[in-house]
Amino acid sequence: LAKTTQPISMDSYEGQEVNITCSHNNIATNDYITWYQQFPSQGPRFIIQGYKTKVTNEVASLFIPADRKSSTLSLPRVSLSDTAVYYCLVVSEAAGNKLTFGGGTRVLVKP
Amino acid sequence: EAQVTQNPRYLITVTGKKLTVTCSQNMNHEYMSWYRQDPGLGLRQIYYSMNVEVTDKGDVPEGYKVSRKEKRNFPLILESPSPNQTSLYFCASSSPEGGYTFGSGTRLTVV
Repeated sequence: LAKTTQPISMDSYEGQEVNITCSHNNIATNDYITWYQQFPSQGPRFIIQGYKTKVTNEVASLFIPADRKSSTLSLPRVSLSDTAVYYCLVVSEAAGNKLTFGGGTRVLVKP
Repeated sequence: EAQVTQNPRYLITVTGKKLTVTCSQNMNHEYMSWYRQDPGLGLRQIYYSMNVEVTDKGDVPEGYKVSRKEKRNFPLILESPSPNQTSLYFCASSSPEGGYTFGSGTRLTVV
């Protein structure tokens, strides 16, 4: 299973764009990348997932370069309510699409 | 509304008293799993189920049992709880297309 590395914490301000980069050097050909958000004492919430290039939905964008050894979650114009822990995960079909969580990135959005 | 429902949300029990945490999903998902979350250790998978009557151990299965008699339900059973099972527990389900839906969590305290 590909190990992921992401910053422990990041600070931002309301209205700014937040970019969280995750490295996953050992990603396998059929693995895909997924991101989750978690608020204190709540279950993780699915944000976005992708295999390559760029994926965008109503809350975030995910950029994956051609070598797929890293990915960047982009949160446009964050608000105070985006303060949370964000997890980058590499999911392997061979491992039954199991989610293996790392430490995540604690994002603090300031007024 | 698509959701995963866990009960109870909070539970305080004594060592050795059998308990069951229920989990139900209304999305017709085949895959369900249980996680526990502890400070400094993150989210760790306890058990998972690929379909009805198919269950398998996750990373930390000791002291837990599960059953999957029907697709929508996946209860977590602690036959003889111990204080080291004090934790925040999450149930999750997913479809083959990916994207896990997590429950709101059960905070268990074993004294």
